[in-house]
Amino acid sequence: AQSVTQLDSQVPVFEEAPVELRCNYSSSVSVYLFWYVQYPNQGLQLLLKYLSGSTLVESINGFEAEFNKSQTSFHLRKPSVHISDTAEYFCAVSEIEANNLFFGTGTRLTVIP
Amino acid sequence: KAGVTQTPRYLIKTRGQQVTLSCSPISGHRSVSWYQQTPGQGLQFLFEYFSETQRNKGNFPGRFSGRQFSNSRSEMNVSTLELGDSALYLCASSSGLAGGFETQYFGPGTRLLVL
Repeated sequence: AQSVTQLDSQVPVFEEAPVELRCNYSSSVSVYLFWYVQYPNQGLQLLLKYLSGSTLVESINGFEAEFNKSQTSFHLRKPSVHISDTAEYFCAVSEIEANNLFFGTGTRLTVIP
Repeated sequence: KAGVTQTPRYLIKTRGQQVTLSCSPISGHRSVSWYQQTPGQGLQFLFEYFSETQRNKGNFPGRFSGRQFSNSRSEMNVSTLELGDSALYLCASSSGLAGGFETQYFGPGTRLLVL
């Protein structure tokens, strides 16, 4: 069975400060890893994903996440956040050969001016 | 290209009633997945339909069912509604290639309130 843990339910951070949103997973099979973002009153959007290859993946808006197999983690980082990054962030895993996403409980990132 | 659409956007029902939610995927997509989002349980996978067949299933009771039509539109039905079924129901579409690596595109959701 797969499970995803996001230990921080809320993360307040000042504008232009760095941020790390933590994600750990457990799975008995190989998985793909995703970060989705949900802006206020909007649907979920894919931020980035790890399928294979380089363990560091980047998004177009400055976020990056690193897959650490030994620690079963996929933490999301950004060196300098903007007000517009205020949103809820969900880490998810998908079984290889299946279209089923298992989500963490989400981390609400609030960027303070 | 139009995105994923869900209707209705809001619903109010009473306990014991049944409800049907609709999802139209992105044109050309053949896979539709359904998720339930609640403050307590977060986002949970309900089931996935591909080519009119249920291909994957989450851990929900039989009161939750779905179907997919030949045009890939999907409906989700919940019978004998309970208060705990109050949630945001999201559907997501993808082309359907098996492998779990595809980006799923989410609709805006249907917010269901059970009184």
